[in-house]
Amino acid sequence: QLVLTQSPSASASLGASVKLTCTLSSGHSSYPIAWHQQQPEKGPRYLMKVNSDGSHIKGDGIPDRFSGSSSGAERYLTISSLQSEDEADYYCQTWGTDFRMFGGGTKLTVL
Amino acid sequence: EVQLVESGGGLVQLGGSLRLSCAASGFTFSTYDMSWVRQAPGKGLEWVSVISGSGGITYYADSVKGRFTISRDNSKNTLDLQMNSLRAEDTAVYFCAKSLRGMGLEDYWGQGIQVTVSS
Repeated sequence: QLVLTQSPSASASLGASVKLTCTLSSGHSSYPIAWHQQQPEKGPRYLMKVNSDGSHIKGDGIPDRFSGSSSGAERYLTISSLQSEDEADYYCQTWGTDFRMFGGGTKLTVL
Repeated sequence: EVQLVESGGGLVQLGGSLRLSCAASGFTFSTYDMSWVRQAPGKGLEWVSVISGSGGITYYADSVKGRFTISRDNSKNTLDLQMNSLRAEDTAVYFCAKSLRGMGLEDYWGQGIQVTVSS
């Protein structure tokens, strides 16, 4: 069964970097995923698609500070030079012909 | 600029019905799949339904299958979600979202609309 697993929380200091992880369940390591950011009280914002080979395609206007990568069944979102506005929930998403699926989300705190 | 604006939310009684709408602009609406995604209070995102650009193909999450119906009017650039037999667990903010062409991911989202099911 396809499942996306994310750590519930993460924290990093202003100006530092953080790497968030989304893990695909066994047997699904070839799936691409998408990362979305949701700031408090707002709708989600698409950040990027990350393929199994680590290549990624960012959405419109997404700063260079955001990047994606992959290793096996893990998909990563790295945010560098953290800013206060990066404090948000981050969700990974995958999909099939007849469904979409989201991970449980990671709440990022910028210290 | 892509814009998605939801409307039609509100308070409804257990077992009742509600129809959500999403007005789309800034892109060629008929050429993109569209989805509804919801978020219960304090919880994560849950995909609800998707409809193809032509409207001819629809899919639903098991949690809403048989109760919700997604539809679209490409002449008016609107997406709808008819919700029947509403349950307490349908209480959520509902987001309208545009899919990236050829892929099952959402690249633009609305601001969301609150639906509260009350007993």
